[in-house]
Order: sequence, then C-alpha cells, then structure tokens
Amino acid sequence: GAVVSQHPSWVICKSGTSVKIECRSLDFQATTMFWYRQFPKQSLMLMATSNEGSKATYEQGVEKDKFLINHASLTLSTLTVTSAHPEDSSFYICSATGQGDDEQYFGPGTRLTVT
Amino acid sequence: KQEVTQIPAALSVPEGENLVLNCSFTDSAIYNLQWFRQDPGKGLTSLLLIQSSQREQTSGRLNASLDKSSGRSTLYIAASQPGDSATYLCAGNTGNQFYFGTGTSLTVIP
Repeated sequence: GAVVSQHPSWVICKSGTSVKIECRSLDFQATTMFWYRQFPKQSLMLMATSNEGSKATYEQGVEKDKFLINHASLTLSTLTVTSAHPEDSSFYICSATGQGDDEQYFGPGTRLTVT
Repeated sequence: KQEVTQIPAALSVPEGENLVLNCSFTDSAIYNLQWFRQDPGKGLTSLLLIQSSQREQTSGRLNASLDKSSGRSTLYIAASQPGDSATYLCAGNTGNQFYFGTGTSLTVIP
C-alpha cells in the first residue's frame, strides 16, 4: 500500500526559531499533498494544499509567510514553521494523493512543541 | 465553506453492542468520503473509502454508507470490542480539498 512518512516525528524548539517538517511519499508519486494541524482534543484542520511545482493554496486564516510550504518534487513536501511561538505547538500531519487516486494517504504526524 | 459535523461527539457502549456514527456535510456535493480512526497521540488510520461512484463500503465489522443527496454518511460498527476504542473521523472532498469532521470519541467498555 501507499506509504507516507514524516520527519521528524517530534521536535522541541525555542520560541523564535524555525522548524522544517518533511513529508515524503515512499512508493508513489504524490501529485497533491495536504498539510493539517490538530490541536489537542480537536479535529484536523486543513492548512494548505500543494501541487508539485506550484505554489501552495492556503486556507483562510493560515499565514503563508509563517507556514512556508514547498512541494519541489513528486515525493517530497516540506512545511517550515518560521519564528515559531508557543501557540504554534501542535500536531502537524501531512497527506498525499497520487494522480487519479481518490484515496488520501496520511503520514504519522509530527508533534511540535515550542518552548 | 464546507463544514462537517459528527454526531455523537462521544459515545460509551458495552462490549458487543452494534453502533452507528454519523457524519453530515453542509455542502452535499461530495466527491468521495473517507472514515479514519485515530488513537490518542497517534496519526490517522484509514478505515474505509467510498469513492464517487459508490454508496457504501464494507471491511470486516465496519460498514460505511454515503447518501450524497443529503450529504450524510454513517459508519456502522458491529459487535464492538474494547480495541475499537478511539476517535473516529470522517472526511469528504468537494474537489481537491478534504474537510474533516469534528470526530466521535468511542469508548467500548469490557
């Protein structure tokens, strides 16, 4: 089956620093990747959608300059949280779909804690 | 904007009971729908996918159905087990974006 990995699985950083999270499709070409954020006891909230080689489309209320998304290849998308603050602490999950595939394959998530 | 509601928000049942989880969309123009399971602190596990041409899917003790005319989906769990305890999320897409429900937290009591 299709596998999506995320790295790192957890990260602790100091306020003001930037953190990069990688999302990789291991055995298929991901034409579209999605980034979600989940706060404790809440559901997933879509942050942005990215297609390979083009700029990401951000959901309303998500700051594109703070959450930088790069989808440079068909197997890799990165989310960089710039100048992180404690309120950015959350569980970040990526997912991917292949061309013509209706199913969305999820990564295991990255837990970010900003101190 | 699409909003997805799941009812009930929480459910506690004794082992062996059959149960139904509900999911509804404000925009009934849903292309396809997925049900997921999430254990505490973990990522998502896909349970069932109902594609655009389908109305239901079955996997073991799980059955999911989708009524596109009303924008509603149900997940039926037969003969529930303590290992079924988790949060269940539905997600539908109306194009190239997926929207998640609020989740149902299920506890199955041994």
